[in-house]
Amino acid sequence: AQTVTQSQPEMSVQEAETVTLSCTYDTSESDYYLFWYKQPPSRQMILVIRQEAYKQQNATENRFSVNFQKAAKSFSLKISDSQLGDAAMYFCAYRSARGAQKLVFGQGTRLTINP
Amino acid sequence: ETGVTQSPTHLIKTRGQQVTLRCSSQSGHNTVSWYQQALGQGPQFIFQYYREEENGRGNFPPRFSGLQFPNYSSELNVNALELDDSALYLCASSHPGQGPFEQYFGPGTRLTVT
Repeated sequence: AQTVTQSQPEMSVQEAETVTLSCTYDTSESDYYLFWYKQPPSRQMILVIRQEAYKQQNATENRFSVNFQKAAKSFSLKISDSQLGDAAMYFCAYRSARGAQKLVFGQGTRLTINP
Repeated sequence: ETGVTQSPTHLIKTRGQQVTLRCSSQSGHNTVSWYQQALGQGPQFIFQYYREEENGRGNFPPRFSGLQFPNYSSELNVNALELDDSALYLCASSHPGQGPFEQYFGPGTRLTVT
């Protein structure tokens, strides 16, 4: 079974600075997808960024980028120019490319932005 | 806003009772997944429905059951509630034909079992 581990329960960063959230995963599959989701206090899970395992190039979405290391099974999220609205729980998630669209989530990292 | 709605927002039930939670998928989405998120934890996959058929299930007992209707709205039913069933229940809709990536989550139903 696949597992996802986020080793940082909490992180904080000064507004406008850069922060990196860590995620490692375990799988025997070669074809899969990785995601970072944001869950603000409103509870609605929002997709931040995704990465297809077959792509070597790291995904970027505006201020958000990932460092995908397939051999090391590592998938970190970098947030540049942090904004107050970035404060939320961040979840790393894995999805196999086969079968049901089941997401396997990590335990989450609570990100605080200091003004 | 993701276009996915859930009802009710909050619910309080007593141990041993039964509960039904509802989810309205984003328009055109024929796949719905349900997740349980205990306090301070990541969501855990309960099951998924595709075109009214269950096509994947996580490690949850049979007292967790579901339905998907022809309009692709969905229900999660939990029988014989236990204290540990207290959690946020999330549904997510998607359409495989629109690409394998996006699952759109609803705001969740907070269930408290006393």
